[in-house]
Amino acid sequence: GAGVSQSPSNKVTEKGKDVELRCDPISGHTALYWYRQSLGQGLEFLIYFQGNSAPDKSGLPSDRFSAERTGGSVSTLTIQRTQQEDSAVYLCASSAGGGYTFGSGTRLTVV
Amino acid sequence: KQEVTQIPAALSVPEGENLVLNCSFTDSAIYNLQWFRQDPGKGLTSLLLIQSSQREQTSGRLNASLDKSSGRSTLYIAASQPGDSATYLCAVRKPSGQGNLIFGKGTKLSVKP
Repeated sequence: GAGVSQSPSNKVTEKGKDVELRCDPISGHTALYWYRQSLGQGLEFLIYFQGNSAPDKSGLPSDRFSAERTGGSVSTLTIQRTQQEDSAVYLCASSAGGGYTFGSGTRLTVV
Repeated sequence: KQEVTQIPAALSVPEGENLVLNCSFTDSAIYNLQWFRQDPGKGLTSLLLIQSSQREQTSGRLNASLDKSSGRSTLYIAASQPGDSATYLCAVRKPSGQGNLIFGKGTKLSVKP
């Protein structure tokens, strides 16, 4: 596609449930990133995929968070046993080595 | 550890004014620097990308400069318009060209008609 696509755009879930967030990067972009933006906070790096290399998971806040990237394209961020502090906008970006292109994000609300 | 700071945190100006947003970073070893715009409830829109070897980039009414040695970048907006109201974010990339961008907390700009 022409841009980075994220789905769903909004997700409301009950505390303790698992959620999956999807990111479809720009075709041909080898690098894919997940960030989190909490209310009033800056962007927090979560995880980075580059080609076939092992992902950089250094930003994941806990072992409840995981992500995978299938076939070097679509990525899924999974949050298990969601907590209220997981409420945030989750942003995905892709890059071909120059600038980043971001998706519109998924707004996650844990109630 | 690279840290990015943006000053001011918020800025309100009347329509038509020229303005400057500031970004500073602690480690001058960067691959590139990118300015983004974020509208409320939206994702990030890339405005300008400056490679480490460049001094400035221009797009329409926007001009971004980079002084790598002093760890500073500025975003100049000419003849501001109410539609420019948004949060402006500055981010730097590691020297290897890989890895995550490190963001500042942004400057929230309000342009009053």
